[in-house]
Amino acid sequence: DGGITQSPKYLFRKEGQNVTLSCEQNLNHDAMYWYRQDPGQGLRLIYYSQIVNDFQKGDIAEGYSVSREKKESFPLTVTSAQKNPTAFYLCASSITRRGGYTFGSGTRLTVV
Amino acid sequence: AQTVTQSQPEMSVQEAETVTLSCTYDTSESNYYLFWYKQPPSRQMILVIRQEAYKQQNATENRFSVNFQKAAKSFSLKISDSQLGDTAMYFCAFMKHSLDSSNYQLIWGAGTKLIIKP
Repeated sequence: DGGITQSPKYLFRKEGQNVTLSCEQNLNHDAMYWYRQDPGQGLRLIYYSQIVNDFQKGDIAEGYSVSREKKESFPLTVTSAQKNPTAFYLCASSITRRGGYTFGSGTRLTVV
Repeated sequence: AQTVTQSQPEMSVQEAETVTLSCTYDTSESNYYLFWYKQPPSRQMILVIRQEAYKQQNATENRFSVNFQKAAKSFSLKISDSQLGDTAMYFCAFMKHSLDSSNYQLIWGAGTKLIIKP
């Protein structure tokens, strides 16, 4: 079945470390997105990519970086510059406006 | 800029009752798409229903239906015969229908927490 796979499900980061969250899709979608969700809050856009080798900053890109070397993959790196990275991270993809987004199951990142 | 407002932070109803979640949006666009997403305690984001602004008929999906009032810029979600499994956060979202752009960004509301009580 087609879908989006996010890994790991839970991730722990020490202060000053960079960590990378994986997002892979086999839906042949062109556009991919990373969102951050804090407890009881809505979704905030970190980065998005509409095509391979191109990506754009969202509303809260500081402290994060992405790459889009393959259509299927859109990894997110949370750098040490992100001072408050503890949150739930959701990856999504889309192919048409009418279809909306398909989401992965998320990664819970905790700073220890 | 487009905005989406969900004025009810939390609602609770008894099982089998009908509940309506409100959503209003602000846009100068004439063509767009509207969505309701559900996020249960598992935190998986699930598409509930979608509406295309150029269609006057309200979308329905089994127990879920919308009341789309384009002039009022209102897009409410009605859940009939509510079930315990409907307990979740519900997010309203808006997407522009710009033919000259491949930008498919969704604009999100803050969400409504819905609790179905047994």
